[in-house]
Amino acid sequence: GAGVSQTPSNKVTEKGKYVELRCDPISGHTALYWYRQSLGQGPEFLIYFQGTGAADDSGLPNDRFFAVRPEGSVSTLKIQRTERGDSAVYLCASSPSASANYEQYFGPGTRLTVT
Amino acid sequence: GQSLEQPSEVTAVEGAIVQINCTYQTSGFYGLSWYQQHDGGAPTFLSYNGLDGLEETGRFSSFLSRSDSYGYLLLQELQMKDSASYFCAVLGDTGRRALTFGSGTRLQVQP
Repeated sequence: GAGVSQTPSNKVTEKGKYVELRCDPISGHTALYWYRQSLGQGPEFLIYFQGTGAADDSGLPNDRFFAVRPEGSVSTLKIQRTERGDSAVYLCASSPSASANYEQYFGPGTRLTVT
Repeated sequence: GQSLEQPSEVTAVEGAIVQINCTYQTSGFYGLSWYQQHDGGAPTFLSYNGLDGLEETGRFSSFLSRSDSYGYLLLQELQMKDSASYFCAVLGDTGRRALTFGSGTRLQVQP
């Protein structure tokens, strides 16, 4: 079956602009996670959704970052007033339920470059 | 908070066995997962230990000792395609459902 998909695969934007990154999880997966990964580092947790609600947003670095999952499926990560330090690969993952969250299925990521 | 330590690089030859260690410090702990990531690719799940002991999945095995806050990933019969980064990840902190990843171990398999 289809895996986790993310669009766009690459995004180049200018400092100060607004960007939206989209994640389409595996069908039926109720848990959805956003991470970001810098070169040579492991994925860093941003936010976790169980269904439509953000169950844990403690990893969001500041209030420029926001994510939604209005229908419990597709999620959008929104970054306002982008900064060069936001440049990274943004990964989305899903799992069948919160109880199986040790096994997460990752998408290919969106490489964000802020110039 | 949580922190994980694993070696940054490991080199081994085809057909050999390699062990990647991971030590962790957490304020809460549910289990230890291992993920593989090829350059430019997505992390893919390899193994999970929720209890002490060894879990075996084909050529890969993973071990956990809660009392030592330590785990390892064992890769046997190494193949060139095993060249990748390997991450240990802790499921910890009461109520937190997300993984905290280590910085990764880059494995290079040589012919």
